[in-house]
Formats: sequence, structure tokens, C-alpha cells
Amino acid sequence: GQQVMQIPQYQHVQEGEDFTTYCNSSTTLSNIQWYKQRPGGHPVFLIQLVKSGEVKKQKRLTFQFGEAKKNSSLHITATQTTDVGTYFCAADYTGNQFYFGTGTSLTVIP
Amino acid sequence: EAEVAQSPRYKITEKSQAVAFWCDPISGHATLYWYRQILGQGPELLVQFQDESVVDDSQLPKDRFSAERLKGVDSTLKIQPAELGDSAMYLCASSLSQGQRETQYFGPGTRLLVL
Repeated sequence: GQQVMQIPQYQHVQEGEDFTTYCNSSTTLSNIQWYKQRPGGHPVFLIQLVKSGEVKKQKRLTFQFGEAKKNSSLHITATQTTDVGTYFCAADYTGNQFYFGTGTSLTVIP
Repeated sequence: EAEVAQSPRYKITEKSQAVAFWCDPISGHATLYWYRQILGQGPELLVQFQDESVVDDSQLPKDRFSAERLKGVDSTLKIQPAELGDSAMYLCASSLSQGQRETQYFGPGTRLLVL
């Protein structure tokens, strides 16, 4: 299957610090989605990026899609304890199936 | 708000036994997915249905796993016989239709432990 690399695997931050996770593919993506999974919970859809160079914002979250459509990032400004969880990217190559990354587990220290 | 339902939430079984999981997608969602999520990893697609038809089951271990969605609504995933390595979370998701730009809505999952 397709490989979607996501880094870092773990990130511990002090509350108020910023956080970024990156998703990288060796081949061009059709589009990419981001999901959040709280501890003990299930993945919840956050956003979808389709266009080259696209940037979308949701309050303190900023999502970017690379110009070559091979990478994406999620940036959280001024983290809060409610941001705790694992963030997954899900890459779509063909328009029919999403391949999930390994996820970045975020811990926010109050 | 409509949700994807799954049962049971937890299942403990011994190896070589048979187990079955059930999923009821959001009403009107034509596409249904079964994922397996091993602890510390991302969800891995096992099978994808469009209505009652299998669209992709290339990652489904067909010697022991089977899935059906007979009437194109709810679905059952079966493992027979279960092996120790099958211990994982089994997630069901649904979307309005197949293809890009469709949000997947996940159910709460069934956590399986094989002893």
C-alpha cells in the first residue's frame, strides 16, 4: 500500500506553546484530510485540503497543503489542554481511498 | 446529530474462536468502511463497500476475515478463527458516497482482545 509518513510521532508541549505535525508522501496526492482522535476515542474529521498551496484556518488550527501536493501540515497556536490527542493525516491518491498516517500524539502540560 | 453505531464496544475471546462485529452507518450514507487500528498506529482500511458491493478488500485477510453488507445498510465483519495478532480496535466509518471530498464519520469502534 501507499506510505504516508507523519512526524513527529510524539510531542509534549507546555500549555500555550505552539505545535506542528507534518505529513509527507513520496507521490502526489489527490487531496488530504486531517483527523483528531482523543484518548480512548475515535477519529473525528477536522478538515480537507484539495488545492495546491491551500491554507485553511479553524480558530487556532492552521492547515497547509504543499505546492507539489506531496506534503501537508497542521499547526496549532497557543495549545490548550483540550488539544490533547492524536492527529492523523489521511492521504488520498486516487480519489477513492484514504491512507492514514501513523499519527502524532500531542500531550499538553498544564 | 446522527452517528455511526457499532457493537459490541468490547470483545474478549480466545484464539481460534469466531467473533463478529456489527456496524450501522449514518442513514443515507452509501459508503461504508471497516478499519483496523493497532495501538499506536493509524487506521488501516480492511474493506470498503459502496451500497452492498465491495469496492476494495485488498487488505482484508480473506483466509479468516469476511465482511458483508447484504442490504446496503448495516454491515458485519467476522473473524474466524481469531488469532492473537488480531487484537486491535475495529473501526467502522461511513460517508455519503465514494470518492474524494467525502468526510468519513467514524463509529466508537469495537476493541478486540484475543487471549
